[in-house]
Amino acid sequence: DQQVKQNSPSLSVQEGRISILNCDYTNSMFDYFLWYKKYPAEGPTFLISISSIKDKNEDGRFTVFLNKSAKHLSLHIVPSQPGDSAVYFCAASASNTGNQFYFGTGTSLTVIP
Amino acid sequence: ETGVTQSPTHLIKTRGQQVTLRCSSQSGHNTVSWYQQALGQGPQFIFQYYREEENGRGNFPPRFSGLQFPNYSSELNVNALELDDSALYLCASSYHRAGSTDTQYFGPGTRLTVL
Repeated sequence: DQQVKQNSPSLSVQEGRISILNCDYTNSMFDYFLWYKKYPAEGPTFLISISSIKDKNEDGRFTVFLNKSAKHLSLHIVPSQPGDSAVYFCAASASNTGNQFYFGTGTSLTVIP
Repeated sequence: ETGVTQSPTHLIKTRGQQVTLRCSSQSGHNTVSWYQQALGQGPQFIFQYYREEENGRGNFPPRFSGLQFPNYSSELNVNALELDDSALYLCASSYHRAGSTDTQYFGPGTRLTVL
C-alpha cells in the first residue's frame, strides 16, 4: 500500500529552467511533508519541509507547494543547475504516528548543461 | 557539528546468518529511525528509538530488532537473513520535541548483500 507516490521516475530539464517534481499522497492524516535529495552512494539529504498549515514554503531556489484538497505537493527548483541532478524523494508523516515517515519511490532529475 | 555516521559501509552475509548494523546520531539529536531501501524503491520505515525504547514500528517481522544506547547511538539487528533483506539500510536521527514532527537527517547507509 503505497501511501506516497511519485509517478514520474525521471525528469530532464535544461540548465536555468524550472524543474517541477510532483508527489501525491493518499492519507489525509499526513500533516508534515519533506523533500530529500539523494546522490549515489550517499544518504538522503534534507532539502525543504512544509507543514499542513501552510500551502507554500520557500528556501532559496527551492519552493514546495502543498494542495491539501488534492493531496498533492510539488517541489520547484528555479533556476535548475547541473549540481541539482540527483534522485528526489518526497516523504510524509502524520503527527499521531510517532514520526514515522512514508517515502515515495523517487524521481531522478537530470539537469542538462 | 558531527553528522549521522553508519558502519559498516558494505556487508556481505549468507542466508540464515545474523547481522548487526550501527549508527551514531547527529550531535544534539535524541531519536534514531531505521529505514530499508530496496533497489528502485523509496526508504521504508523499520522502527524508531527514543529514550532507549522503541517508539513506532513499520511492517517488518520480529527478526528485525534494535537498540538505542544512552549516548543515542543505535544498532539494527537482523536474524535469520533472507535474500530479500538485501538492501541499503539507512539510519536517520532527529531531535524529538513533544507535539511536533521532527525533520530527520540521514546517514550514508549500509549496503547489505545476502547470498
